[in-house]
Amino acid sequence: EIVMTQSPATLSVSPGERATLSCRASQSVSSHLAWYLQKPGQAPRLLIYGASTRATGIPARFSGSGSGTEFTLTISSLQSEDFAVYYCQQYNSWPTFGQGTKVEVK
Amino acid sequence: QVQLVESGGGVVQPGRSLRLSCAASGFTFTSYGMHWVRQAPGKGLEWVAVIWHDGSNKHYADSVKGRFTISRDNSKNTLYLQMNSLRAEDTAVYYCAREGGAVADYYFDYWGQGTPLTVSS
Repeated sequence: EIVMTQSPATLSVSPGERATLSCRASQSVSSHLAWYLQKPGQAPRLLIYGASTRATGIPARFSGSGSGTEFTLTISSLQSEDFAVYYCQQYNSWPTFGQGTKVEVK
Repeated sequence: QVQLVESGGGVVQPGRSLRLSCAASGFTFTSYGMHWVRQAPGKGLEWVAVIWHDGSNKHYADSVKGRFTISRDNSKNTLYLQMNSLRAEDTAVYYCAREGGAVADYYFDYWGQGTPLTVSS
């Protein structure tokens, strides 16, 4: 099983600021990496797939980068609706998720 | 628009069985692999099972292998998860999710709202 590790566990950011979230895989997953956002009581929503491709309807302030074992999700200017938990997920083999990064208001 | 609506969750005793359903609409169901993903209370996401678009292949997480069975009825646009020998650690919200990419690109572009399962005596 490929283990996905996200950091930090919690990120405190002011609205309008930039947020950078990290995800590391225990072995190479090539570019088979997706990012999701989840708000309390809601289902996850796909943000990024293929490590860097934005899903349909996702604003340009969300960007993904990386390949192999190191990945980054950047939110260029945090909006109020972006405060949530973010998960990375690899699909190079049977899917596994990171433990999540909570982005909270500073 | 794409809609996935799960049902069938509830409270069940350990060792008992339950079947979840996921009604799909707004897309060509027969063209997509479908998955179940679960989330234990206050925890992260865990992939459970996948079934190919035509039902020809199924795969399971080790944690449920031999106890859970994924199936689909393409004539009814419905996905199922038969859960047997339930354990306390199966307690979670169960989401059905549509496969986002090409065959075996197992990321998830649409999710249902989830159905909660509690396994407790």
